[in-house]
Amino acid sequence: GAGVSQSPRYKVAKRGQDVALRCDPISGHVSLFWYQQALGQGPEFLTYFQNEAQLDKSGLPSDRFFAERPEGSVSTLKIQRTQQEDSAVYLCASSSQGGIGQPQHFGDGTRLSIL
Amino acid sequence: GESVGLHLPTLSVQEGDNSIINCAYSNSASDYFIWYKQESGKGPQFIIDIRSNMDKRQGQRVTVLLNKTVKHLSLQIAATQPGDSAVYFCAENVKGTYKYIFGTGTRLKVLA
Repeated sequence: GAGVSQSPRYKVAKRGQDVALRCDPISGHVSLFWYQQALGQGPEFLTYFQNEAQLDKSGLPSDRFFAERPEGSVSTLKIQRTQQEDSAVYLCASSSQGGIGQPQHFGDGTRLSIL
Repeated sequence: GESVGLHLPTLSVQEGDNSIINCAYSNSASDYFIWYKQESGKGPQFIIDIRSNMDKRQGQRVTVLLNKTVKHLSLQIAATQPGDSAVYFCAENVKGTYKYIFGTGTRLKVLA
């Protein structure tokens, strides 16, 4: 497809389980961002990749959160030992060039619910 | 589906009228700004951007104004249509970082 694709669309997990969320950016896009969006709030930055390099992970809330983009295309956000406060929509965005100063194209997100 | 922005400030406008959505940004070192539109169950959609060396930029039916003195952004939508109903977010990038900071959002309701 032409847009950013995220899977699964919905994920329900029990507290303490590990989850993995996938992002397929637009083909050829250099930059990839992950955001967390709580209900009723704006997206909050988690991490940024330029190709396979993770250049900023300052927004990851704890060491339970881990992101990778090993070949510079698909990215996975992993959350270990999930907790109820991890419930949110996780958004992925990509942009064509490295760095900042250009529009991001967002996927429709993965809605994560922790029971 | 679950709604984006259940308790957000709401702006209600009549179809055909102009809309103005305001945003106060947080960091005087921010030098790139974007407006996004988000519909329920969807990711944010790019509307228009502006750099800090400009104070106004126009697109199709939309205009963004930037006032760096008071750290204020506004989005003007001309001839508002029902399809414009959504939550609108401003986002800023602080120069020298890769992080975008999003505002809290405004819900726009277009009345027929």
